[in-house]
Amino acid sequence: GENVEQHPSTLSVQEGDSAVIKCTYSDSASNYFPWYKQELGKRPQLIIDIRSNVGEKKDQRIAVTLNKTAKHFSLHITETQPEDSAVYFCAASNTGFQKLVFGTGTRLLVSP
Amino acid sequence: DTGVSQDPRHKITKRGQNVTFRCDPISEHNRLYWYRQTLGQGPEFLTYFQNEAQLEKSRLLSDRFSAERPKGSFSTLEIQRTEQGDSAMYLCASSPKFRVSSEQYFGPGTRLTVT
Repeated sequence: GENVEQHPSTLSVQEGDSAVIKCTYSDSASNYFPWYKQELGKRPQLIIDIRSNVGEKKDQRIAVTLNKTAKHFSLHITETQPEDSAVYFCAASNTGFQKLVFGTGTRLLVSP
Repeated sequence: DTGVSQDPRHKITKRGQNVTFRCDPISEHNRLYWYRQTLGQGPEFLTYFQNEAQLEKSRLLSDRFSAERPKGSFSTLEIQRTEQGDSAMYLCASSPKFRVSSEQYFGPGTRLTVT
């Protein structure tokens, strides 16, 4: 089955810096890759996603890139703000099975 | 609030007791998922419904776990004879029906503590 690895497990940056979180997946049939932000004690919130027919997607300060050949995808956050501090999870799924397989999470800390 | 809702938000139970959780998906969503999340980990898939049909169950789901979605709307997850290892956050998610994989929106979760 699918296996998703995520790095780093923790990431500390200064406000205004960029942050990059990377994930790799094992199942070449996976074609949908969402990213979730989870604040302490709250539900995972979908922040951006990408499908396998697209190489890059942007939404304001957030972007996701996908390399199907290498089977990895990344989350890029620019101009980080303290409110970006949270745990971020990547995930993968394919059309046939629908379930999301999550990475182990990255704790992002943005210091003022 | 038109998002996914779950009840109860917290449940403390003694080992060996049965517990049942409820999930109400977003009204126009026909797909419903249950996940389990332990501290410091990502959510793990448990089971998935499309309308009232349970289409997939994880091997993680022992025979003590059962889920239903009788009318294709709300769903219940029951754990029988709870064990301390069942302590976790149980998350429900829903997604609309499209021909390809679609976004899943999560509820606030039910935190289960087995003493």
